[in-house]
Amino acid sequence: GAGVSQSPRYKVAKRGQDVALRCDPISGHVSLFWYQQALGQGPEFLTYFQNEAQLDKSGLPSDRFFAERPEGSVSTLKIQRTQQEDSAVYLCASSLGGSVQETQYFGPGTRLLVL
Amino acid sequence: RKEVEQDPGPFNVPEGATVAFNCTYSNSASQSFFWYRQDCRKEPKLLMSVYSSGNEDGRFTAQLNRASQYISLLIRDSKLSDSATYLCVVIPEGGNNRLAFGKGNQVVVIP
Repeated sequence: GAGVSQSPRYKVAKRGQDVALRCDPISGHVSLFWYQQALGQGPEFLTYFQNEAQLDKSGLPSDRFFAERPEGSVSTLKIQRTQQEDSAVYLCASSLGGSVQETQYFGPGTRLLVL
Repeated sequence: RKEVEQDPGPFNVPEGATVAFNCTYSNSASQSFFWYRQDCRKEPKLLMSVYSSGNEDGRFTAQLNRASQYISLLIRDSKLSDSATYLCVVIPEGGNNRLAFGKGNQVVVIP
C-alpha cells in the first residue's frame, strides 16, 4: 500500500516568504508527527497530532511555525516569513494508533531552502 | 544537554568486518529505544527496536544498558549495502510518543 507522501519534495523560498508543506499519512493512521532535520543532524521533533487534535507543539521553534490537521488525515505545516535558519528537511511520520510501541513511518521529506 | 548523544563518525569499515557503536541518553525514565537507518537524502526507516534483554536480527545486534543509559548496535560481516547513517532513537517518558534522535553514526563500508 501507499506510504506517507509529502509535497512539494523541494521548495526554494526567498527570505520573508510564507511556505506550506503538505503531508498525506498512511490511510487510517491516527498519529501524525512533524520533524525538522538540519544538515548533518538527526531529526528534531516539531509537533504531534492524534486525529485532528494537536496534542504537542512543544518543538515548534517560533510562532512563525503553525501546523494543522483539520479532518484528521492530511496535515499542513506552514512557516510564515521564512528565515535562512529554516532551511532544512521537514519530515512527516505517521503511526497506526497512539501507543508508544507503534512504529512511525516516515515520508520522503520536503527539502526547504531559504535564500 | 541533548537527549541522545552519538559520535557521528564517519566509521570507515572494511567489507566483511564488524563495527560497533553506541549512544547515550539523558532521560533515565525512557522506556522505548530504537535504531533507525537513514540512507543519503532518504527518510529514516526503522532498523530494529532495542529490548532490555538485547536482540538480534541477522547480522545486527542491539543492546540496552539501563544502568549506564546507553544503547549499542553491532553489525557483523559488513556489506557494502550497510553504508548509511544509523540513528539512535529514544522515546522520552512523558514525550507524547515523540522520537528523540541522536545525530547518527555514519558508516561507510569499503570494498
